[in-house]
Amino acid sequence: GQNIDQPTEMTATEGAIVQINCTYQTSGFNGLFWYQQHAGEAPTFLSYNVLDGLEEKGRFSSFLSRSKGYSYLLLKELQMKDSASYLCAVKDSNYQLIWGAGTKLIIKP
Amino acid sequence: NAGVTQTPKFRILKIGQSMTLQCTQDMNHNYMYWYRQDPGMGLKLIYYSVGAGITDKGEVPNGYNVSRSTTEDFPLRLELAAPSQTSVYFCASALGDTGELFFGEGSRLTVL
Repeated sequence: GQNIDQPTEMTATEGAIVQINCTYQTSGFNGLFWYQQHAGEAPTFLSYNVLDGLEEKGRFSSFLSRSKGYSYLLLKELQMKDSASYLCAVKDSNYQLIWGAGTKLIIKP
Repeated sequence: NAGVTQTPKFRILKIGQSMTLQCTQDMNHNYMYWYRQDPGMGLKLIYYSVGAGITDKGEVPNGYNVSRSTTEDFPLRLELAAPSQTSVYFCASALGDTGELFFGEGSRLTVL
């Protein structure tokens, strides 16, 4: 079966750095996506990785290792507004997105 | 630009009732999707469409129907509502098969 694993919840301090991991087992791979979802709101696109390595976009970076079936989202200089759930999704061989359950990130002052 | 608009935002249904969730996008996106999101679970694809007149089943299509008569509109029909359909429903669109989806605000449905 297809599976995406993320930690259920993480806590970090304002101004710090946090790494949210995602491991996947899917039938084929055509890209990995990270979305942010604030409570009660819709998911919004953060990043896309299809090749191994690090993609940096401001305070957010996303890393991919296809051989290990592993990705992480790195958030730097955490702000209170970063409190949200972070969803990892993989596009499989049928070009369908398979979604993880999301990681709820709690930022403390 | 309004983006993706879903209505209603909230609805309570009785078991056996039917209803339609409306979804409209004004970005001229060809791909449209319906997902449901349950607590502690990943988004599950109900139906999707790659263009007007074309629809396909996703992972959890039972109890639902869709149509795509225009590029803009992708309504989701629930027939004979069941408590298992209590969920938050998201409509999304994309320009092509990019994986970068634009979501509506969601519709919270409760079936009692």
